[in-house]
Amino acid sequence: QVQLVESGGGVVQPGGSLRLSCAASGFTFSSNGMNWVRQAPGKGLEWVAFIRYDGSNKYYVDSVKGRFTISRDNLKNTLYLQMNSLRAEDTAVYYCAKDNYETTGYYYVFDYWGQGTLVTVSS
Amino acid sequence: DIQMTQSPSSLSASVGDRVTISCRASESISSYLNWYQQKPGKAPMLLIYAASTLQSGVPSRFSASGSGTDFTLTISSLQPEDFATYYCQGSYSVTFGQGTRLEIK
Repeated sequence: QVQLVESGGGVVQPGGSLRLSCAASGFTFSSNGMNWVRQAPGKGLEWVAFIRYDGSNKYYVDSVKGRFTISRDNLKNTLYLQMNSLRAEDTAVYYCAKDNYETTGYYYVFDYWGQGTLVTVSS
Repeated sequence: DIQMTQSPSSLSASVGDRVTISCRASESISSYLNWYQQKPGKAPMLLIYAASTLQSGVPSRFSASGSGTDFTLTISSLQPEDFATYYCQGSYSVTFGQGTRLEIK
């Protein structure tokens, strides 16, 4: 069965950095695009970043461009999100989510999600 | 950016009721529309993709329709486990609606 397990969250000061990881299993990781989606406390969902199956294309929401970097290691079946210059408004639960392009033919259909990891940006 | 607006923001209903949630896109997104269910403290779960295709394993009491700018999610007969927050999401612009909280009356 598909499993996505995020790690790396925690408390960080404004301006600081954090790297999130998402360990994937139960599917062919190297054949699927992956995403990060976040949810601020008590708020709705916001897509953050996407990376193609081979890492050749990466896309970001405007609010994180130039600060966050999505990457992947297909040998380790792991997705990453490097977050720099963190701001209070980045405080959220961060989910990794598998893209369902293989089945739907559409990108940005999130068919499996991890349990999330909480990032708190506070002094 | 294409905005997604759901209505209502919250809804009270009883077990067995039929409920409908609406989602409107600020411009046409064809059938690039997905629906998710999220329970408190849990990750979202995909219910419907491509406007009307039921994700594998999702009960058939869930259905959806629409194209262009107007979409609906219908639950034909509410079950206790259906009380949750529902989000629409445009996969063309990757934006989510603000959510509809479905509560027990």
